[in-house]
Amino acid sequence: NAGVTQTPKFRILKIGQSMTLQCTQDMNHNYMYWYRQDPGMGLKLIYYSVGAGITDKGEVPNGYNVSRSTTEDFPLRLELAAPSQTSVYFCASSPHNPGEGNTIYFGEGSWLTVV
Amino acid sequence: RKEVEQDPGPFNVPEGATVAFNCTYSNSASQSFFWYRQDCRKEPKLLMSVYSSGNEDGRFTAQLNRASQYISLLIRDSKLSDSATYLCVVKWSGGSYIPTFGRGTSLIVHP
Repeated sequence: NAGVTQTPKFRILKIGQSMTLQCTQDMNHNYMYWYRQDPGMGLKLIYYSVGAGITDKGEVPNGYNVSRSTTEDFPLRLELAAPSQTSVYFCASSPHNPGEGNTIYFGEGSWLTVV
Repeated sequence: RKEVEQDPGPFNVPEGATVAFNCTYSNSASQSFFWYRQDCRKEPKLLMSVYSSGNEDGRFTAQLNRASQYISLLIRDSKLSDSATYLCVVKWSGGSYIPTFGRGTSLIVHP
């Protein structure tokens, strides 16, 4: 039962490099999200998608891009990495059922350090 | 702006104690409410949803006060294994129905 799978788990980038964090879910969820979590802080929404072909900015989108070509996949691309992007990145998904009891499922996180 | 506020703590309690956390939210159009638990260096995991009438799951009780715009989590008979960060999550109605997380409340249960 895979759920939400993120890769890589750990990565060190040099300033100015680019990379893509991969995220895939096998639960046929419409909604997918990318959050970042800095030490001692809450999760901040970077981008989200409400279905294949639809993406939108969250609270902290600068320096990132996403795409959603399929229901399953929601990769996050970092262009021109900066030290401020050192963080833990969580991908998540949820079904779209307005009302109570709508669980959000998280991947295990990707630890990114920019040096 | 849609805010979800939590006291970061830490709440330091002995085993067997009862502890309660509150979480306030700014937007009265909030639709759904949850408590998530996050262990150190792990992903958040659902602890419980919060229903309008309040709900209980073993030692955990969640309540919603829409008039005052807060939710609460009560933990009875605290265990060492309850040590974690507890995240309040609110989903807003209308538009995209996207969850917003509080920064979390840290709980440390000691022997």
